[in-house]
Amino acid sequence: QKEVEQNSGPLSVPEGAIASLNCTYSDRGSQSFFWYRQYSGKSPELIMFIYSNGDKEDGRFTAQLNKASQYVSLLIRDSQPSDSATYLCAVLMDSNYQLIWGAGTKLIIKP
Amino acid sequence: SAVISQKPSRDICQRGTSLTIQCQVDSQVTMMFWYRQQPGQSLTLIATANQGSEATYESGFVIDKFPISRPNLTFSTLTVSNMSPEDSSIYLCSVAEGSGEKLFFGSGTQLSVL
Repeated sequence: QKEVEQNSGPLSVPEGAIASLNCTYSDRGSQSFFWYRQYSGKSPELIMFIYSNGDKEDGRFTAQLNKASQYVSLLIRDSQPSDSATYLCAVLMDSNYQLIWGAGTKLIIKP
Repeated sequence: SAVISQKPSRDICQRGTSLTIQCQVDSQVTMMFWYRQQPGQSLTLIATANQGSEATYESGFVIDKFPISRPNLTFSTLTVSNMSPEDSSIYLCSVAEGSGEKLFFGSGTQLSVL
């Protein structure tokens, strides 16, 4: 079992809809969770981080964390074509304090 | 967040040669990291560059192949030595801010080895 798993996609969402990206992790003791956006040919950019169970909102982005079920989600409201990118989930493992990366989900927003 | 300058942005190299990638940060940072990202894949940590001491390498990466320098708190280099086509990848420098968990990345170096 991979330590951090994401559906590779592509996930196709119509413009204006809500895009939902999911990530599961194996280390139950993990405390810190991050979402990075990576445009094609560019480096990853931190867009959200969450430490506590529940929701954290920042503009059109909402991160959701459920530690009991060991998953973290990223919701993008009112999706725009400029949101088309690969979204990487990263989890700070409690066992060795290492940042473990998912393989990323490619999101395509269709006009 | 810190401004991270990485160069070269891309290079095409011959098998058996070496390439040194530079990473300059506009502020002093304790933790700098070097990652590799192969086409269509996620990030793999090569090593943590420690100022004033040897770099800490991850499993599968060795100092002879990927020597790293960290002469001060704003600069680091990664050398890819004796290159083969399997080394073709994007190499990324990153720094940690805050408590060391949030990473910010340089623009990357796209390396192609012929």
